[in-house]
Amino acid sequence: AQSVTQLGSHVSVSEGALVLLRCNYSSSVPPYLFWYVQYPNQGLQLLLKYTTGATLVKGINGFEAEFKKSETSFHLTKPSAHMSDAAEYFCAVSDLNAGNMLTFGGGTRLMVKP
Amino acid sequence: NAGVTQTPKFRILKIGQSMTLQCTQDMNHNYMYWYRQDPGMGLKLIYYSVGAGITDKGEVPNGYNVSRSTTEDFPLRLELAAPSQTSVYFCASRTGGNEQFFGPGTRLTVL
Repeated sequence: AQSVTQLGSHVSVSEGALVLLRCNYSSSVPPYLFWYVQYPNQGLQLLLKYTTGATLVKGINGFEAEFKKSETSFHLTKPSAHMSDAAEYFCAVSDLNAGNMLTFGGGTRLMVKP
Repeated sequence: NAGVTQTPKFRILKIGQSMTLQCTQDMNHNYMYWYRQDPGMGLKLIYYSVGAGITDKGEVPNGYNVSRSTTEDFPLRLELAAPSQTSVYFCASRTGGNEQFFGPGTRLTVL
């Protein structure tokens, strides 16, 4: 069974500072990995995904993530936080054996201080 | 395209009541999913469907039923509502490129 662990349920950064949200996964097969963002009272929106190929993936809103197989990690970063980045972020791994169902981490709430 | 739409947005049920959460997508996706989101727990898969007439259980199917008579619609049925089913429910559909699109959610409270 696959699992996803997001270290830190809450992360607080100052505006303009680096954003680093951590994600580690376990998977018995090469994974598809995703980061989703959820703004208050809204559904989930895809930020970026890794399937195959280049291990550094760029997404929307200036976010990027690097797939590191040796560390089973897929951490999300953004060089400079903006107030509008305040939201909840979910890392997910796709299970090809179950209709490509997504297994989600518990989420990390990002707070951005002015 | 409207994408994935869900109705209702909010609902309060009494214990033992039944209801159907509606989900419709206009992207002609074969794969559709129902998740529930509990605070601090991420999303858990309830049921999924790989096409019209085909459904299967996810991680937490107990207390729920689904049907898929058309490509567009994937309703979720709660037969005997229990307080443990208080949650936010999300429907999603998937592209061939494995990207899932989520609806805005239904917030359900069972009292």
